[in-house]
Amino acid sequence: NAGVTQTPKFQVLKTGQSMTLQCAQDMNHEYMSWYRQDPGMGLRLIHYSVGAGITDQGEVPNGYNVSRSTTEDFPLRLLSAAPSQTSVYFCASSVTSGVYNEQFFGPGTRLTVL
Amino acid sequence: AQRVTQPEKLLSVFKGAPVELKCNYSYSGSPELFWYVQYSRQRLQLLLRHISRESIKGFTADLNKGETSFHLKKPFAQEEDSAMYYCALMSGGSYIPTFGRGTSLIVHP
Repeated sequence: NAGVTQTPKFQVLKTGQSMTLQCAQDMNHEYMSWYRQDPGMGLRLIHYSVGAGITDQGEVPNGYNVSRSTTEDFPLRLLSAAPSQTSVYFCASSVTSGVYNEQFFGPGTRLTVL
Repeated sequence: AQRVTQPEKLLSVFKGAPVELKCNYSYSGSPELFWYVQYSRQRLQLLLRHISRESIKGFTADLNKGETSFHLKKPFAQEEDSAMYYCALMSGGSYIPTFGRGTSLIVHP
């Protein structure tokens, strides 16, 4: 199993450009999520999904869209990139809720918006 | 609302010294607590969960409901423990954890 994969690893955008960060998992996990990691701010939840066709907003959803058409894929779209979206983005998946939950993380995408 | 607080951004110790990474939470129900670790150039990964009551890589964490804390401890730090550590909380029935801001642990030789 490849686990959770993310592409690209690095990306530089200009303000106003749009792009999609890809996330895929091959573990048949129901739950998937996107976080951004910023110095001093930790991991903040952007959007999450509890199954194909179901998504919801996290703590910092503005400027981002998601969809979940399949169990495997959970892309994150930046509609009009802003410098404030410069960050490292992590995708995660899990199969259970509750005490035995374990989040499996991708390797991250480092995004710079100029 | 639930919240996780890690008061220290950075913790710097020497090899062999004891380590305690603090985590406090606010949640009105029964919490489910976890520690995640991110070593340099590696993925975030689960270190331990409170329900398991086990020691992983010499680390332990005890849930103290009275003090609403879940501090991570290790009696003798090793250089390979240098990493970013995140405390995480899941409320009953939730699918996605809330993470703290993280503590960077540096263990000097």
